Amino acid sequence: QVQLQESGPGLVKPSQTLSLTCTVSGVSIGSTGYFWSWIRQHPGKGLEWIGYIHYSGSTYYNPSLKSRVTISVDTSKNQFSLKLSSVTAADTAVYYCAREVPSPYYFDYWGQGTLVTVSS
Amino acid sequence: QSALTQPASVSGSPGQSITISCTGTSSDVGGYNYVSWYQQHPGKAPKLMIYEVSNRPSGVSNRFSGSKSGNTASLTISGLQAEDEADYYCNSYTTSSTRVFGGGTKLTVL
Repeated sequence: QVQLQESGPGLVKPSQTLSLTCTVSGVSIGSTGYFWSWIRQHPGKGLEWIGYIHYSGSTYYNPSLKSRVTISVDTSKNQFSLKLSSVTAADTAVYYCAREVPSPYYFDYWGQGTLVTVSS
Repeated sequence: QSALTQPASVSGSPGQSITISCTGTSSDVGGYNYVSWYQQHPGKAPKLMIYEVSNRPSGVSNRFSGSKSGNTASLTISGLQAEDEADYYCNSYTTSSTRVFGGGTKLTVL
């Protein structure tokens, strides 16, 4: 049973860096070819794709966030992480980690989501 | 990359069928058969309902079906049930190798 669980601070101050970790169980990140992804949802709004990392370390980001986003992987801990720098109130959202199946590109497992509020 | 266009809301009575559209461009929906659909109940994570335009994952009811014509993909739910009331999102792969979601559609079962 594949499971994903987000963790990290629920409150971040403006201009600081948001840091979240996704812990994966039921499958080894390092032995499979999936894309490990981050997706966010602003309060009451739709879903926004942030980007993904492959266990090899290759990444791909949403161009609108690319200058502020870093996704990394720690295969020894079976975790992957998101860092979003220079946050503002506009980055307040529920952040989901998810597994994406490459070609045909769909998200088959999701974490429960974690709300991150940007406020002083 | 602009979000795919979905109707803000649709509604139907139990037992009826409804269709939710998802309109993009030749750079996303129209260019690939990589459209997926997600169901999201309030306060819950999205759940995969359809992938690769029309494929259903194991465990998803066959009342859910997907199709595509040109730049528009569609999700049809037949035999509406109260439990189908949720938000639905489409997603597509794009020529830029990014992923784009639709704005979401709120389904109300009357």
